[in-house]
Amino acid sequence: DTGVSQNPRHKITKRGQNVTFRCDPISEHNRLYWYRQTLGQGPEFLTYFQNEAQLEKSRLLSDRFSAERPKGSFSTLEIQRTEQGDSAMYLCASSLAGRPYGYTFGSGTRLTVV
Amino acid sequence: KNQVEQSPQSLIILEGKNCTLQCNYTVSPFSNLRWYKQDTGRGPVSLTIMTFSENTKSNGRYTATLDADTKQSSLHITASQLSDSASYICVVSANFGNEKLTFGTGTRLTIIP
Repeated sequence: DTGVSQNPRHKITKRGQNVTFRCDPISEHNRLYWYRQTLGQGPEFLTYFQNEAQLEKSRLLSDRFSAERPKGSFSTLEIQRTEQGDSAMYLCASSLAGRPYGYTFGSGTRLTVV
Repeated sequence: KNQVEQSPQSLIILEGKNCTLQCNYTVSPFSNLRWYKQDTGRGPVSLTIMTFSENTKSNGRYTATLDADTKQSSLHITASQLSDSASYICVVSANFGNEKLTFGTGTRLTIIP
């Protein structure tokens, strides 16, 4: 296991299109987090899962955003009807509950909406 | 509101020199404080993590300090190398059991030869 894997690394899409990103966490990690990061800013929390349950969603996660973790392993983040303001780096992280030292980020998916 | 503030916003130093980055936070209840290094276009990579009872922790040329009373932390980089050029992000975890992290906006460090 080489860490948290995110695909694709880059995505360019036209405004109004739907996009889906995938995150594969470290296999034994039961928690998975999604963040959004814009240029020059720190990551902002979007949502997190413990196993397959989505336990918290940020106000940043509008109706156009949906995240799933159907089997408690990989997760997908879908953005519908993309807008230019959605352009950002989308980061995924995973951890084992109660073990903060293992909290690991993926390399992110860079989304550009044109 | 939980906040993490970092200074300076950016820093340029000569290769081989030392530098210190600052972090102030207002996060409660405090669980732990982390420093991450983030290269351009990559995800953050953990450098150190400190709990309430720890006031210093080292990772190679990186040394982090924590003063939980004044809610301040610093990251000291010794004998800087070109590969240290990156953003350094201070992150504080509140003790809600969900490892909810509050991120600073980072210090952009540039090492010049």
